[in-house]
Amino acid sequence: AQSVTQPDIHITVSEGASLELRCNYSYGATPYLFWYVQSPGQGLQLLLKYFSGDTLVQGIKGFEAEFKRSQSSFNLRKPSVHWSDAAEYFCAVGAFGGGGNKLTFGTGTQLKVEL
Amino acid sequence: KAGVTQTPRYLIKTRGQQVTLSCSPISGHRSVSWYQQTPGQGLQFLFEYFSETQRNKGNFPGRFSGRQFSNSRSEMNVSTLELGDSALYLCASSLPAAVNNEQFFGPGTRLTVL
Repeated sequence: AQSVTQPDIHITVSEGASLELRCNYSYGATPYLFWYVQSPGQGLQLLLKYFSGDTLVQGIKGFEAEFKRSQSSFNLRKPSVHWSDAAEYFCAVGAFGGGGNKLTFGTGTQLKVEL
Repeated sequence: KAGVTQTPRYLIKTRGQQVTLSCSPISGHRSVSWYQQTPGQGLQFLFEYFSETQRNKGNFPGRFSGRQFSNSRSEMNVSTLELGDSALYLCASSLPAAVNNEQFFGPGTRLTVL
């Protein structure tokens, strides 16, 4: 069974500083990996996804993530954080069981941005 | 293109009651998945429907059920509500192609069980 670990529950960074959110996954085959962001009271918005090919993927809002198979990681990065980036971030792995869709999420990382 | 819509957005019920939540997927999306989000358990997969058939199911009791209509709209039902069912219920839709399981989420229905 697949699983996702986000080791950091809370992270605080200063506005303008760089950001890296960690994600480790466990999956038997080539994973489909996602990062979602959730603002308070809102649903999930997709930041970026990895299916195959280039291991460095670019997403919306200036985010990028790097897939490292040897480390089973898919860390999210942003060179300069904006106050509006404060939110909760979820890493997820997608699986096809019986042809269906299923996402397994990590527990999330709450990002606080200090002005 | 309109996004995923969920109704109602907020709901308050009492223990023992039942509840039905509705989800309208993005036009053209035929797969609809449901997730439960709680502070303690995080985001957990409930089930997925495709072409009116349940294609995938998570590890939830039989009190949680769902269905999908021919227009791809989906409903989920929770019977005999328990306090622990208080959660944000998220619906997600996606295209049916097996190589693309990018899911688009609605804003959720916040269910409070008293």
